[in-house]
Amino acid sequence: KNQVEQSPQSLIILEGKNCTLQCNYTVSPFSNLRWYKQDTGRGPVSLTIMTFSENTKSNGRYTATLDADTKQSSLHITASQLSDSASYICVVSGVGSYIPTFGRGTSLIVHP
Amino acid sequence: IAGITQAPTSQILAAGRRMTLRCTQDMRHNAMYWYRQDLGLGLRLIHYSNTAGTTGKGEVPDGYSVSRANTDDFPLTLASAVPSQTSVYFCASSDSGGRGDEQFFGPGTRLTVL
Repeated sequence: KNQVEQSPQSLIILEGKNCTLQCNYTVSPFSNLRWYKQDTGRGPVSLTIMTFSENTKSNGRYTATLDADTKQSSLHITASQLSDSASYICVVSGVGSYIPTFGRGTSLIVHP
Repeated sequence: IAGITQAPTSQILAAGRRMTLRCTQDMRHNAMYWYRQDLGLGLRLIHYSNTAGTTGKGEVPDGYSVSRANTDDFPLTLASAVPSQTSVYFCASSDSGGRGDEQFFGPGTRLTVL
């Protein structure tokens, strides 16, 4: 069964600090991996997509990495801001699959 | 309309009642999805549709039904609501299923079944 595991489940950091969120998956054959950000009371929004050939990709202060050999991805947030407080969800799609596999998310709280 | 909309925003429902959650998108996306989100469990797929006229079951389909009469609309029906269906429901759409396309989510419907 395809699985996506995220860690930590929750994280509290101070404004201005960096943090890294982890995602491990078993989906095979692999097509792509997306990180979504979900603000409280809103629907998720895609931050970045990683395909098999990509090792790292940045979107502003967000940097995603992918190691397709070990089936691991990370999302690094630099110089955190209060607006980064949200749930971050890792979603992995398999080749030819109509249904992506969702992780349960990491809840990030940034304190002033 | 811009993007994907859901109605109602929230609803309190007596157990045993029938309820339809509405979802409409204006992006001409082929694929649409219904998820429920519960604390600690993340987003779980209820039903999906790859194109108008076709639907499929997701991870937690029991107690729910869907239809896809046209490209834009994808209603979710609870035939006889039960308290365990209390949740936040999200509708999403993507250009096509099967390629890992970005999913665009609606704002959600918060449903409470008493």
